Amino acid sequence: DAGVIQSPRHEVTEMGQEVTLRCKPISGHDYLFWYRQTMMRGLELLIYFNNNVPIDDSGMPEDRFSAKMPNASFSTLKIQPSEPRDSAVYFCASSLRQGRHEQYFGPGTRLTVT
Amino acid sequence: AQSVTQLGSHVSVSEGALVLLRCNYSSSVPPYLFWYVQYPNQGLQLLLKYTTGATLVKGINGFEAEFKKSETSFHLTKPSAHMSDAAEYFCAVRNTGNQFYFGTGTSLTVIP
Repeated sequence: DAGVIQSPRHEVTEMGQEVTLRCKPISGHDYLFWYRQTMMRGLELLIYFNNNVPIDDSGMPEDRFSAKMPNASFSTLKIQPSEPRDSAVYFCASSLRQGRHEQYFGPGTRLTVT
Repeated sequence: AQSVTQLGSHVSVSEGALVLLRCNYSSSVPPYLFWYVQYPNQGLQLLLKYTTGATLVKGINGFEAEFKKSETSFHLTKPSAHMSDAAEYFCAVRNTGNQFYFGTGTSLTVIP
């Protein structure tokens, strides 16, 4: 299995631009998670989906952030407009439904907003 | 509500010394417990997990952890530290509702 795939791996953009991060979960996984990691705040859960449906988006910082999962094999996290404080590493993870199963993390997207 | 506490955001050990990274959780029911490792510029990868059965769990790279229900702890240990163990370590809990909770992480430095 290829694991969780994220693209792009690095993104540099200017303040005010729209940014779209992409994730392909492991085939057969029912849950998909988006995290943000910074030195100041550590690892933060932004949103997670179960069977393509958003279950908890309480971690999404503000309305500039949105996430979608149109099908079981693809999800996007969009920031519009982007701000310098959005600079972070964004991780996508997926897991199977039963509680004993772990999350599998993607390699992350390093976002820099100038 | 669940929570995970990792005592010590930074731990330094000498090469060859014992590694002990602490994790305590709060849970009203026995949870599922995980340790992840993150090397620089990489994603998190699973070290080991406890689900049911034997409370001493062995993982990759010589690490192990023991689930102690009475102490609500799941500390990570390794008898002899190696330079390659330098990384960030995260403890995590997953409840029966499938919600994951991560600790704030412990950065391990190995001194030659």
